[in-house]
Amino acid sequence: QVQLEQSGGELKKPGASVKVSCKTSGFTFTTYGISWVRQAPGQGPVWMGWISAFHSKTKTSPSFQGRLSMTTDIPATTAYMELTGLTADDTAIYFCARDLAADTGGGPFDYWGQGTPVTVSS
Amino acid sequence: DIQMTQSPTSLSAFVGARVTITCRASQSISQFLNWYQQRPGEAPKLLIYGTSNLQSGVPSRFRASGSGTDFTLTISTVQSEDFATYYCQQSYTTPAAFGQGTKLEI
Repeated sequence: QVQLEQSGGELKKPGASVKVSCKTSGFTFTTYGISWVRQAPGQGPVWMGWISAFHSKTKTSPSFQGRLSMTTDIPATTAYMELTGLTADDTAIYFCARDLAADTGGGPFDYWGQGTPVTVSS
Repeated sequence: DIQMTQSPTSLSAFVGARVTITCRASQSISQFLNWYQQRPGEAPKLLIYGTSNLQSGVPSRFRASGSGTDFTLTISTVQSEDFATYYCQQSYTTPAAFGQGTKLEI
């Protein structure tokens, strides 16, 4: 069955970076893309960006341009998201999701990881 | 960027009721509209994709329609497990965007 398993929660200081992993299984990793979505406490989800494992092509929301890096390790069927320059506003749960728009990104998202809580505090 | 607006933001209903949630896009998105259900402490779950296509395993009491800028999600007979927050999401273009959510409460 399709599974996306994310790395554990993180506590970071302002200005630091965080890297979250998303280990996938149960499907051909290079056939799909992975989108990253975050959700601040009590807020709706926000799309951050997308990476195509096959092409290593990415799309990044303007809201995260310059701070977001997405990569994949094809043999390990794992996607990674790194966000730099953290502030308290980046405190949220970060999700990876399988993206059915294989060539363009942006959803729909049919399988999701369990979420990785990231807290930014001094 | 395309903005998505849902109404209402919260909704009270009894088990067995029929409820409708609306979603409006700031510009036409054709039929690239998806609906998700999110229960507390869980990841969102895809219910409907491409405006009206039921995701595998989703009960048929969930129905959706629309095109262009205006879309609706209807639950024909609300069950106890349906009390959750619902989000629409446009996949017409990036950046993808979600609505602010509609919380369905008893």
